[in-house]
Amino acid sequence: QKEVEQDPGPLSVPEGAIVSLNCTYSNSAFQYFMWYRQYSRKGPELLMYTYSSGNKEDGRFTAQVDKSSKYISLFIRDSQPSDSATYLCAMKAGNQFYFGTGTSLTVIP
Amino acid sequence: GAVVSQHPSWVICKSGTSVKIECRSLDFQATTMFWYRQFPKQSLMLMATSNEGSKATYEQGVEKDKFLINHASLTLSTLTVTSAHPEDSSFYICSAKSSSYEQYFGPGTRLTVT
Repeated sequence: QKEVEQDPGPLSVPEGAIVSLNCTYSNSAFQYFMWYRQYSRKGPELLMYTYSSGNKEDGRFTAQVDKSSKYISLFIRDSQPSDSATYLCAMKAGNQFYFGTGTSLTVIP
Repeated sequence: GAVVSQHPSWVICKSGTSVKIECRSLDFQATTMFWYRQFPKQSLMLMATSNEGSKATYEQGVEKDKFLINHASLTLSTLTVTSAHPEDSSFYICSAKSSSYEQYFGPGTRLTVT
């Protein structure tokens, strides 16, 4: 079993839709949770990070962590074509980072 | 946020030659830098972790004599692909970690070996 599981998609939604991206994990030692956005042929860009269970909001993005279920989510409200990218979840335990495989998202105008 | 640069962004080289890729943290000191490889439509594959002033730690299956990593300062790490072959063609991404827990990525370097 992988440390971090993420559905690779692809996920295709109409503009304005609410997008839900998810990752599950197996290691209860993970303390920090991050979401990265990667456009084609570019390096990943840190979108959000959080430490505790609960929700963290930043503009149209909401990161949610449920440590009891070992489940994290990223919600994108009012999705835009510019949100089309691959979204990677990442988790940290000690000095080790673990990445999901990434979910490819396309927002159709 | 913190900025990490990579140079070059794209390089084409002939088989058998060596290529050096630079990774710089522009506005923070990076105690740790990571080198990743990414194939099309696949996730990041960690190659090695380097701490300033010490030898890099390579992941299993990564040849340390082929992928030479130097982390000479808190703002610069280099990856040298020695005796490159076409199968080394890939997207190489570095990242840098500051004293906080976030990891910031460079824009990547596309290597094509002909």
